[in-house]
Amino acid sequence: RKEVEQDPGPFNVPEGATVAFNCTYSNSASQSFFWYRQDCRKEPKLLMSVYSSGNEDGRFTAQLNRASQYISLLIRDSKLSDSATYLCVVNNQAGTALIFGKGTTLSVSS
Amino acid sequence: DVKVTQSSRYLVKRTGEKVFLECVQDMDHENMFWYRQDPGLGLRLIYFSYDVKMKEKGDIPEGYSVSREKKERFSLILESASTNQTSMYLCASLSGTPMNTGELFFGEGSRLTVL
Repeated sequence: RKEVEQDPGPFNVPEGATVAFNCTYSNSASQSFFWYRQDCRKEPKLLMSVYSSGNEDGRFTAQLNRASQYISLLIRDSKLSDSATYLCVVNNQAGTALIFGKGTTLSVSS
Repeated sequence: DVKVTQSSRYLVKRTGEKVFLECVQDMDHENMFWYRQDPGLGLRLIYFSYDVKMKEKGDIPEGYSVSREKKERFSLILESASTNQTSMYLCASLSGTPMNTGELFFGEGSRLTVL
């Protein structure tokens, strides 16, 4: 099992839609979880950290399920500007580095 | 503002050449990373460093080495470039540690083509 696996995508949704991405991780001892966003031909940037109790930032909600070892990202009321690749990130088994999933591409259309 | 600078945005090299990719950060971070990004494979960790002169292998270190002589600078070296090393190389610097909610700051990337 790969360390971090994501929905393959792509997700093509209309403006205003709600879309959810899931990500599973293999290391049950992982402590750090993040979602990064990468625009086309740009570097990844932190979207949000994922906390045990779940957290929300505007239209974005992140959830962590430790028992099932997955994290999720929910985007409500999708905007055209949300079109990007969303990367799930988890610390490695040794706790010394951050490992990325392959990413899920979202395309929001008008 | 946080800044990670990769000196070369685009490079074209020939098979067998030695290639240096330089990365400098101005945030006094201890942890720095080199990833490569390829279509369908995502970002894969090559090497990382948690202190000056310290280095650790990531998931795909074969064919690469690194150097960290100063805290702000982390260099990736391809001793003898091969065509399968054609890729986008991304350097990142981490605030905090991987076990807390530190943020990775990336450079703009170095697109290397090996002919």
